[in-house]
Amino acid sequence: GDSVTQMEGPVTLSEEAFLTINCTYTATGYPSLFWYVQYPGEGLQLLLKATKADDKGSNKGFEATYRKETTSFHLEKGSVQVSDSAVYFCALSGSGGYNKLIFGAGTRLAVHP
Amino acid sequence: KAGVTQTPRYLIKTRGQQVTLSCSPISGHRSVSWYQQTPGQGLQFLFEYFSETQRNKGNFPGRFSGRQFSNSRSEMNVSTLELGDSALYLCASSADRRQYEQYFGPGTRLTVT
Repeated sequence: GDSVTQMEGPVTLSEEAFLTINCTYTATGYPSLFWYVQYPGEGLQLLLKATKADDKGSNKGFEATYRKETTSFHLEKGSVQVSDSAVYFCALSGSGGYNKLIFGAGTRLAVHP
Repeated sequence: KAGVTQTPRYLIKTRGQQVTLSCSPISGHRSVSWYQQTPGQGLQFLFEYFSETQRNKGNFPGRFSGRQFSNSRSEMNVSTLELGDSALYLCASSADRRQYEQYFGPGTRLTVT
C-alpha cells in the first residue's frame, strides 16, 4: 500500500541555519504531495503542496520539489527562525481519487536562538 | 472565511461510554475527512464523507462511525470506548471531490479513563 517515510527527529538547529527534512514515498499512480505543520496544541496547517512531478511547492521560505525518479519530497528552508519550531508532516493523497491523506510519522523541529 | 471548527475541544469519557464529536467545514466545502492522531500510531485516516455519503474508510473497527448532514457538517461517533481511543481527533474539509488540499480544524482531544 501507499506509505510515507520521514527522517526521524528531533531536529535541533540554531537560528538562521539551513533546514532539510527528508521525505520519501511509495505510491501507485500519481499522488499529490504535501507538507503540513503542527504547532503545539493546534491542528495541522497546510504548508505547501505539489501535484505532479518536478513541481516545486513553496511558502513562507519553505520549499519542496516533487521528485518522481527518487520518490522524494524533501522540505528545505534557507534560514530557520525560532518561530519555525513545530512538528512537520509529509503526506500524500491516497490512491483512488478521494480525499484520503497518508502521513509520515512527523519530524519535530526545535530552533534555538 | 471562517476555518474548520470542531466541538468540543476537550472531552473526558469513561471506558464503555460512547462519544460524538462534531465538525463544521469551511463554507462551501462538501468533503469532510476524519483522522485520529496518537503518539504511537501517528495520523491515521478514519473516513471521508462527501455529499452525505461515506466514500472511503480507513482500517478502524466498526465502533467508529460517522455521518454528514445536508449542510456538510459532520459528526463522528465512537461507541464502547476503550483506553486506546484516547487521541486527538482531527477533522479536515476540502472543496471538491478531486481536490486533495485539505484544511484541518484544531481537533478534539479525547481522553478515556
